[in-house]
Amino acid sequence: NAGVTQTPKFRVLKTGQSMTLLCAQDMNHEYMYWYRQDPGMGLRLIHYSVGEGTTAKGEVPDGYNVSRLKKQNFLLGLESAAPSQTSVYFCASRGEVPPSYNEQFFGPGTRLTVL
Amino acid sequence: RKEVEQDPGPFNVPEGATVAFNCTYSNSASQSFFWYRQDCRKEPKLLMSVYSSGNEDGRFTAQLNRASQYISLLIRDSKLSDSATYLCVVNRDDKIIFGKGTRLHILP
Repeated sequence: NAGVTQTPKFRVLKTGQSMTLLCAQDMNHEYMYWYRQDPGMGLRLIHYSVGEGTTAKGEVPDGYNVSRLKKQNFLLGLESAAPSQTSVYFCASRGEVPPSYNEQFFGPGTRLTVL
Repeated sequence: RKEVEQDPGPFNVPEGATVAFNCTYSNSASQSFFWYRQDCRKEPKLLMSVYSSGNEDGRFTAQLNRASQYISLLIRDSKLSDSATYLCVVNRDDKIIFGKGTRLHILP
């Protein structure tokens, strides 16, 4: 099992450009999450999904959109990138029933720089 | 007040020493509790769950005090490889709330 994978690993954008980050999991998990992590700020939840076709806003959703068209994939979109979106983005998933319900599995992260 | 609070550290501890971290949470409806470990420039990974009765995994002991709304992590006989950031995590319904983490440096 690959677990949780993220594409791309690194990206540099110019202000105003758009991009999509892809998260994929092969554990048949219902729940998926997108976080950003900035120095001194900890992990902040952007959006999450409790199942295929569902999405919900987290703590810092502005400037981002998400889609969960397939259970195994969770896409994070930046329509018009801003320097404030320079960050490390982590995707995570967890199952619906114990024991996988309790543990979040994280992808390796995407390092995004917006110039 | 943040829902989950941790001392950011850093804790600089000599190898072989015992170190303890605390984490407080504000919502009494919180249901489950965890410690995650995050190495520099890596993703967080589950270290251990925290149960009301307390639980131990090798050199690591976790405790939960629901009355005072805090959880703790004790590391005995610390190793250089324990250097990392330790994240306190609290689950409530579908929400998973992370603390900002405590940085630990084990000194040779």
